[in-house]
Amino acid sequence: GAGVSQTPSNKVTEKGKYVELRCDPISGHTALYWYRQSLGQGPEFLIYFQGTGAADDSGLPNDRFFAVRPEGSVSTLKIQRTERGDSAVYLCASSLRGYNEQFFGPGTRLTVL
Amino acid sequence: AQSVTQPDIHITVSEGASLELRCNYSYGATPYLFWYVQSPGQGLQLLLKYFSGDTLVQGIKGFEAEFKRSQSSFNLRKPSVHWSDAAEYFCAGLGAAGNKLTFGGGTRVLVKP
Repeated sequence: GAGVSQTPSNKVTEKGKYVELRCDPISGHTALYWYRQSLGQGPEFLIYFQGTGAADDSGLPNDRFFAVRPEGSVSTLKIQRTERGDSAVYLCASSLRGYNEQFFGPGTRLTVL
Repeated sequence: AQSVTQPDIHITVSEGASLELRCNYSYGATPYLFWYVQSPGQGLQLLLKYFSGDTLVQGIKGFEAEFKRSQSSFNLRKPSVHWSDAAEYFCAGLGAAGNKLTFGGGTRVLVKP
């Protein structure tokens, strides 16, 4: 079956602009996660959804970052007033439920100029 | 605080030789443990996982890992490396809350012909 998909695969934007990154999880997976991977580092947790609600957003670095999952499937990560330090690969993962193995998408590479 | 450490940033191994990647974890209780592989420009692929039971875990692509509670380790091994195994490898732990993976910094494996 289809895996986790993310769009776009690459996004180049200018400092101060607003961006949206989309994640389409594996069908039937109730848990969805966003991670951020900076160059040369392991992924770092941003936010976890169980169904439609954000069960844990403790990894969001500041209030410029926000994510939604209105129907419990597709999720959108939104970044306002982008900064050069936001440049990274943003990874989405889903699992059947929490406390389960997570399946990752290919990521969106965000570059802020 | 929960943490996963991969002491080796780079490892170079000859094709056909054995490979061992180290991983140490620090959690209040034994976490679920995972090894992922990331090839250039690719997403994270799950190699194997440890939840409980047998401490020697078999994974895909000929990899195995051994959980050692006394050493807080979960090292990854492969008896004979192929050139296609050149990639970055990440160890990760899932704590009791079950809502986020904590990754090590990764080990980049280079395979010499």
